[in-house]
Amino acid sequence: TQLLKQSPQFLSIQEGENLTVYCNSSSVFSSLQWYRQEPGEGPVLLVTVVTGGEVKKLKRLTFQFGDARKDSSLHITAAQTGDTGLYLCAGPSGTYKYIFGTGTRLKVLA
Amino acid sequence: NAGVTQTPKFQVLKTGQSMTLQCAQDMNHNSMYWYRQDPGMGLRLIYYSASEGTTDKGEVPNGYNVSRLNKREFSLRLESAAPSQTSVYFCASSEAPRGFTEAFFGQGTRLTVV
Repeated sequence: TQLLKQSPQFLSIQEGENLTVYCNSSSVFSSLQWYRQEPGEGPVLLVTVVTGGEVKKLKRLTFQFGDARKDSSLHITAAQTGDTGLYLCAGPSGTYKYIFGTGTRLKVLA
Repeated sequence: NAGVTQTPKFQVLKTGQSMTLQCAQDMNHNSMYWYRQDPGMGLRLIYYSASEGTTDKGEVPNGYNVSRLNKREFSLRLESAAPSQTSVYFCASSEAPRGFTEAFFGQGTRLTVV
């Protein structure tokens, strides 16, 4: 059974601080996605990483896919209150299904 | 752009009552999904439909039934609601099997069973 475990589960930081959240699995994934979910809304895709070792940047967010394609990280530089939300990683399971991680709930304080 | 539309947004049921959650997408996607989201457990797949006329069980199908009415619509039915089914339910769609593409989600249905 493929599982995606995220850490930390909760994170509360001050505006301007940097942070990293992790997504780990014992299984190899062909690619991984990161989603952000705001209160009362469904998750929205941030990025897809497809190559081992790949680094993608989205403004202040940096995503990395592990060389062995079993893990990924999301680094946020100079966090803002607008970054508050639930961050979910997801990987493919078979042809049609998506497996989601347990999530990291981030709160950025002004 | 409507995307994925779910109804209702909120619902309170008594134990044993039944209800159907509706979902429609306007992106011409083949694949549609129903997930439940509980604190600390991420999103867990209840059922999915790879194409019109087909449905398959996900990780937590017990107590639920689904219908893929046509390419646009995928409904989730609780025949006899139980308190353990209190959760937030999300419908999603994607272009699968055309690769690991973006999953588009509705706004969710917050269901409480008392």
